[in-house]
Amino acid sequence: EIVMTQSPATLSVSPGERATLSCRASQSVSSNLAWYQHKPGQAPRLLIYGASTRATSIPARFSGSGSGTEFTLTISSLQSEDFAIYYCQQYNEWPLFTFGPGTKVDIK
Amino acid sequence: QVQLQESGPGLVKPSDTLSLTCTVSSYSISNNNWWGWMRQPPGKRLEWVGYIRSGGSTTYNPSLESRVTMSVDTSKNQFSLKLSSVTAVDTAIYYCARKEPGNWFGLWGQGTLVTVSS
Repeated sequence: EIVMTQSPATLSVSPGERATLSCRASQSVSSNLAWYQHKPGQAPRLLIYGASTRATSIPARFSGSGSGTEFTLTISSLQSEDFAIYYCQQYNEWPLFTFGPGTKVDIK
Repeated sequence: QVQLQESGPGLVKPSDTLSLTCTVSSYSISNNNWWGWMRQPPGKRLEWVGYIRSGGSTTYNPSLESRVTMSVDTSKNQFSLKLSSVTAVDTAIYYCARKEPGNWFGLWGQGTLVTVSS
């Protein structure tokens, strides 16, 4: 099983600042990585797939990069609605998809 | 707007069967997608439970396979999960989701908390 790790566990950021979230895979997943935003009580929302492709209707302030085992999600200028938990997920090997533990982005 | 909505009992007794249904709106469940169930126990990470296609093909998490059954009802545009012989470790928020052909999950339900307790 591919184990996903995310850092930091919590990121405190002021509105308007840049946030950089990291995700690491225990073995190469190529570019088969997605990022999701999750607010408690709501449905998780797909942000990025293919490591760097924004999903439909996702604002340009969200960007993804990386390949292999190291990935980054960047939020260029945090808006109030961006405070949430962010998960990465690898889908390199059907059906053994695995998720990271999440990074909580909260208000500084 | 496409939506997924989980439904089912929020409390299940130990050794009973957990039953959940996911209703899909504004999108035919018969389209070329796999439909999945994921869960997140308190304080733990998301894990996949299983996937199903409209034709009935399934694949289950090996750690749960002996207890899981998934089914599809195309007439109601729903798919369902049954997990038998539950214990406290099955307490989790259960999510249904639509897997895209590229293998990411494009749409999710908001989740439903199922607690296993007597």
